[in-house]
Amino acid sequence: AQKVTQAQTEISVVEKEDVTLDCVYETRDTTYYLFWYKQPPSGELVFLIRRNSFDEQNEISGRYSWNFQKSTSSFNFTITASQVVDSAVYFCALSRQTGANNLFFGTGTRLTVIP
Amino acid sequence: EAGVVQSPRYKIIEKKQPVAFWCNPISGHNTLYWYRQNLGQGPELLIRYENEEAVDDSQLPKDRFSAERLKGVDSTLKIQPAELGDSAVYLCASRYGSGAQYFGPGTRLLVL
Repeated sequence: AQKVTQAQTEISVVEKEDVTLDCVYETRDTTYYLFWYKQPPSGELVFLIRRNSFDEQNEISGRYSWNFQKSTSSFNFTITASQVVDSAVYFCALSRQTGANNLFFGTGTRLTVIP
Repeated sequence: EAGVVQSPRYKIIEKKQPVAFWCNPISGHNTLYWYRQNLGQGPELLIRYENEEAVDDSQLPKDRFSAERLKGVDSTLKIQPAELGDSAVYLCASRYGSGAQYFGPGTRLLVL
């Protein structure tokens, strides 16, 4: 069974602060993908990153960085120097690499960046 | 490149009425998904198509929901009759090969 847990329901930070969104997953598969999506108030899910279970290297993209730790089944997302435009709901998701490859989502973390 | 297109964006209907949602995936994307997102929750899969074949519809409530993907491109999701509990956002996503899934803006359905 696939399961994604995002324990943080809501987070508020002041602009320019750093913030980390937590994601813990469960799967019996040996190969899988992990994802982060952003859902702004407009409702569209915006793809941010996909990580292969074989690749535990951390990744940085501008102000965004991701920390993948297989030992703790975690895939955390950090936004550095947050901006008001970062306000959204962020979803972590998991999928198999073969066969049924639909996404299993967490319940999301609502991030509010206060100017 | 155009993204996933969905229509309508919003729909308000009375219970027991039928409703249909339309999705046009990204050009060339062979896999198409319909998800339902309830308020405060993450999306959950309803059905997955590989080209024109529905390969995973185990979560689709078949007594009232139906879907089709004619010619392996556009897809339509229908509910008949709608119930109050069907109020949600219906999201369409598409994917090419083993790439990531890209989502449309969704259709927000309110059943009164």
